[in-house]
Amino acid sequence: QKEVEQDPGPLSVPEGAIVSLNCTYSNSAFQYFMWYRQYSRKGPELLMYTYSSGNKEDGRFTAQVDKSSKYISLFIRDSQPSDSATYLCAMSAYPQAGTALIFGKGTTLSVSS
Amino acid sequence: DAGVTQSPTHLIKTRGQQVTLRCSPKSGHDTVSWYQQALGQGPQFIFQYYEEEERQRGNFPDRFSGHQFPNYSSELNVNALLLGDSALYLCASSADSEQYFGPGTRLTVT
Repeated sequence: QKEVEQDPGPLSVPEGAIVSLNCTYSNSAFQYFMWYRQYSRKGPELLMYTYSSGNKEDGRFTAQVDKSSKYISLFIRDSQPSDSATYLCAMSAYPQAGTALIFGKGTTLSVSS
Repeated sequence: DAGVTQSPTHLIKTRGQQVTLRCSPKSGHDTVSWYQQALGQGPQFIFQYYEEEERQRGNFPDRFSGHQFPNYSSELNVNALLLGDSALYLCASSADSEQYFGPGTRLTVT
């Protein structure tokens, strides 16, 4: 079993839809959770960073962590064609700078206008 | 403020050759981590450099080595290239728990 599981999709939605992206993990030591967005042939861009369980909102994006279920989610409201990208979840057990991040495979999202 | 920069953008090498990739961290960041991203996969951690020393290493062979310079920039060296080393190599810089990635170097081994 991989440490982090993420459905690769692809996921196709119409513009304006609410998108739900999810990851599950097996290592209970993970406490720091991130979502990155990666456009084709580019580097990942940090979208959200959360610590432990709970919700965090930033504009159209909401990150949710449920440590009891080992499940994290990213919600995108009012999705736009510019949101079309691959979304990677990542997590770590430690907060130190540069510590190893464990990534999911990424979910490819396509938003049509 | 320039973000993380990497060079070169693309590189084509032959099996058995050696390659050096370069990374300049975001201003104010002193820690550099390197990741390998194969096609259709998430990035995999190679190693981390802080204060010019390798502080943490992932499950990669000794063919992968690195260096950090006093100005915090870093190099990744890969010796005896294999076809399986073809990937996007990403550099991430950080000063705290958030890591910011560069655009990557796409390495093709033929």
